[in-house]
Amino acid sequence: SQQGEEDPQALSIQEGENATMNCSYKTSINNLQWYRQNSGRGLVHLILIRSNEREKHSGRLRVTLDTSKKSSSLLITASRAADTASYFCATDESGGYNKLIFGAGTRLAVHP
Amino acid sequence: DGGITQSPKYLFRKEGQNVTLSCEQNLNHDAMYWYRQDPGQGLRLIYYSQIVNDFQKGDIAEGYSVSREKKESFPLTVTSAQKNPTAFYLCASRGGASGRSYNEQFFGPGTRLTVL
Repeated sequence: SQQGEEDPQALSIQEGENATMNCSYKTSINNLQWYRQNSGRGLVHLILIRSNEREKHSGRLRVTLDTSKKSSSLLITASRAADTASYFCATDESGGYNKLIFGAGTRLAVHP
Repeated sequence: DGGITQSPKYLFRKEGQNVTLSCEQNLNHDAMYWYRQDPGQGLRLIYYSQIVNDFQKGDIAEGYSVSREKKESFPLTVTSAQKNPTAFYLCASRGGASGRSYNEQFFGPGTRLTVL
């Protein structure tokens, strides 16, 4: 089953612009995580936000979490061509054994 | 890709054959996971293991088997019972007892399996 649903499925922007990706989920969670995947590679952890947090920053990344709406957003500011990748949200269900449930991802293309 | 290695990078299998994918980690992590990724899709959990000699089925375990005889190793066997095994397979592990990265999963580079 896939809990996280990302929106949009694909996003194309110019370097320097901001990129916003959204994620919705269905059940209660312990935390929500965002991962990045370059084409044909493994995933890399970007940021984790706990269920009692509303916003978190890491470098050019800003993540928000709204548990009442069961949604999260990832903002990448001042994007670079090197940010081109797929971005996935993953939810850690309350009571689970850190079983992450991944969405289908947003494919981001940043053009020079 | 952290301290997780997967081999081989590409694997070709004839229909009806079993094949084993290797996953090794040197991060001293207790938990390990196997995921399947189909084109344009997210990851789906096949099996996971919280500790040596113990593992649990994920969402799509049918046609797969695993073992966890050593902390460092979590091999995945794709059996002939898996009807559509062509996919990208990712192994991951999760950190130790405490610390900032406890809930973060570290992924290997993946194995792309193609059934001929």
